[in-house]
Amino acid sequence: GEDVEQSLFLSVREGDSSVINCTYTDSSSTYLYWYKQEPGAGLQLLTYIFSNMDMKQDQRLTVLLNKKDKHLSLRIADTQTGDSAIYFCAEVEGEGSQGNLIFGKGTKLSVKP
Amino acid sequence: ETGVTQSPTHLIKTRGQQVTLRCSSQSGHNTVSWYQQALGQGPQFIFQYYREEENGRGNFPPRFSGLQFPNYSSELNVNALELDDSALYLCASSLAALAGFKGEQFFGPGTRLTVL
Repeated sequence: GEDVEQSLFLSVREGDSSVINCTYTDSSSTYLYWYKQEPGAGLQLLTYIFSNMDMKQDQRLTVLLNKKDKHLSLRIADTQTGDSAIYFCAEVEGEGSQGNLIFGKGTKLSVKP
Repeated sequence: ETGVTQSPTHLIKTRGQQVTLRCSSQSGHNTVSWYQQALGQGPQFIFQYYREEENGRGNFPPRFSGLQFPNYSSELNVNALELDDSALYLCASSLAALAGFKGEQFFGPGTRLTVL
């Protein structure tokens, strides 16, 4: 079945760029998402990219999509301590009005001052 | 415009009991999905409701059931609770069009269920 893989941990210094990587298996996914989860909280949608795009930029966030390799990345520029959280990559499974998300296990980003 | 809300925030039950969790979708959204997030894992899809009917289901047993109401709010019911049901239960709302899934899913803060 569909699967989403992410590295589990990433540690960076404040002010550096962070790059979180993800691979997915469902080549028919129309949308791919990045969510952020802070301790004890729900998921916050950061950004998403449509499958016919290669790149999307939104302020400090840049999403790159390599559809051939089924590889998605999230770059956070000028990483701040407030960016410390778990980041989940997700792909959409299903068609029609159904669009359930398949999540990776999450990458824990630690930002050191 | 109000976001997705869930109640209660925390719940403690014992094995064998039944539980009902509630979700109010974001204003204007007609689709609600439920996810289970075990500790240290990503969320797992339970099921989705669209126009008051189940519109897709993940790999969860029938003791997980749900409802969607005319105002698009939703309930998740779990019968015969097991220890492994302990998790964060997340509700997400979205706007699904007849032609296909479009747009984002917005998550509520979750209900933390502990089964003893």
